[in-house]
Amino acid sequence: DSGVTQTPKHLITATGQRVTLRCSPRSGDLSVYWYQQSLDQGLQFLIQYYNGEERAKGNILERFSAQQFPDLHSELNLSSLELGDSALYFCASSVVGSPYNEQFFGPGTRLTVL
Amino acid sequence: KNEVEQSPQNLTAQEGEFITINCSYSVGISALHWLQQHPGGGIVSLFMLSSGKKKHGRLIATINIQEKHSSLHITASHPRDSAVYICAVIPLDQFYFGTGTSLTVIP
Repeated sequence: DSGVTQTPKHLITATGQRVTLRCSPRSGDLSVYWYQQSLDQGLQFLIQYYNGEERAKGNILERFSAQQFPDLHSELNLSSLELGDSALYFCASSVVGSPYNEQFFGPGTRLTVL
Repeated sequence: KNEVEQSPQNLTAQEGEFITINCSYSVGISALHWLQQHPGGGIVSLFMLSSGKKKHGRLIATINIQEKHSSLHITASHPRDSAVYICAVIPLDQFYFGTGTSLTVIP
């Protein structure tokens, strides 16, 4: 158990809908990262937050948004869902936002868009 | 455009064999991570490297910054090592992942 929690574990929804994925980092970790893992694209970095502020942005679509709240939990919002958004979404946390820090991964949320 | 290339894609080994997984990258990096993804999907960080070599138990990771290459070695492989091993490179604030090496260790 990494100490990072993600909810829900599974999510099935329809095209055009909007969903919110939630991540709680390990106690004491200030940085949260979001990743998408699909069968055809592999793992991709979406976005990083550090202590409530956006720190780095990767291949995140405009239909997707995220935020980190004062209690350090983070939410990833996916809207106007398409079939291609079906994937595993992982969040990870680290003590600070440095690339030299070990990241601890949550168990992931499996999103299926029908 | 693939910033990170891993080889081999798939690897089957007999228990006890010495295993090497390679990662080559094309960008300048701050750090490189090796990740292990279990059959159930969970991801664990194995190593962070910015130079040299690190060892943890039966796992050894090396990096050559000049040649833009890293290797992950598993000594005395065991069936519980069966997993997908993923290399991730970090140029500044971005993360680029290899497609992974699927390892199966047969008893």
